[in-house]
Amino acid sequence: SQTIHQWPATLVQPVGSPLSLECTVEGTSNPNLYWYRQAAGRGLQLLFYSVGIGQISSEVPQNLSASRPQDRQFILSSKKLLLSDSGFYLCAWSVGGPSNQPQHFGDGTRLSIL
Amino acid sequence: GESVGLHLPTLSVQEGDNSIINCAYSNSASDYFIWYKQESGKGPQFIIDIRSNMDKRQGQRVTVLLNKTVKHLSLQIAATQPGDSAVYFCAEEARGGADGLTFGKGTHLIIQP
Repeated sequence: SQTIHQWPATLVQPVGSPLSLECTVEGTSNPNLYWYRQAAGRGLQLLFYSVGIGQISSEVPQNLSASRPQDRQFILSSKKLLLSDSGFYLCAWSVGGPSNQPQHFGDGTRLSIL
Repeated sequence: GESVGLHLPTLSVQEGDNSIINCAYSNSASDYFIWYKQESGKGPQFIIDIRSNMDKRQGQRVTVLLNKTVKHLSLQIAATQPGDSAVYFCAEEARGGADGLTFGKGTHLIIQP
């Protein structure tokens, strides 16, 4: 069966520090991969998605970037964190290809910026 | 989908009663709809999905209804249990889209004993 892993589960970082959050998927090949952010009491906002290695699409202008160095690895990064980057970051995967398929989420990373 | 708001609507139901959670969407191109359950501190969990060529789909204790005329989606949970307490989100995607889901603002379902 397919599984998705995100780490770390929680992270406290000072303003201006770099960020690297990692997400890996097991049990499937060539998945579509996604990064979402969820602010407290809100729904999910799509940040990035990828349909293949090295292919990244950004949904909103921001202080973050994403990379997909391997088929089942998706990384969310920042060179300098802002206070507004605090939130709950969720990685998701779906079956690759253009047809509508459910997305399956990891358990997220709670990021607090001090 | 719905715009993201600051406060989640709340639905309080008695244990054992049926729950109905509603969602409105605005994108006529949306072709695929999903309901997710999110417990505190966890990622959203897939419950059930429906495509626009259907108006009803049933799962275990859950039913999703889609009314394309008024762009309305609902999730019915039968015989609500304490474990059903969570935030429920609807999400939509355009036809053939691989570019992510648009989420509604969510509804906090509270189960009263």
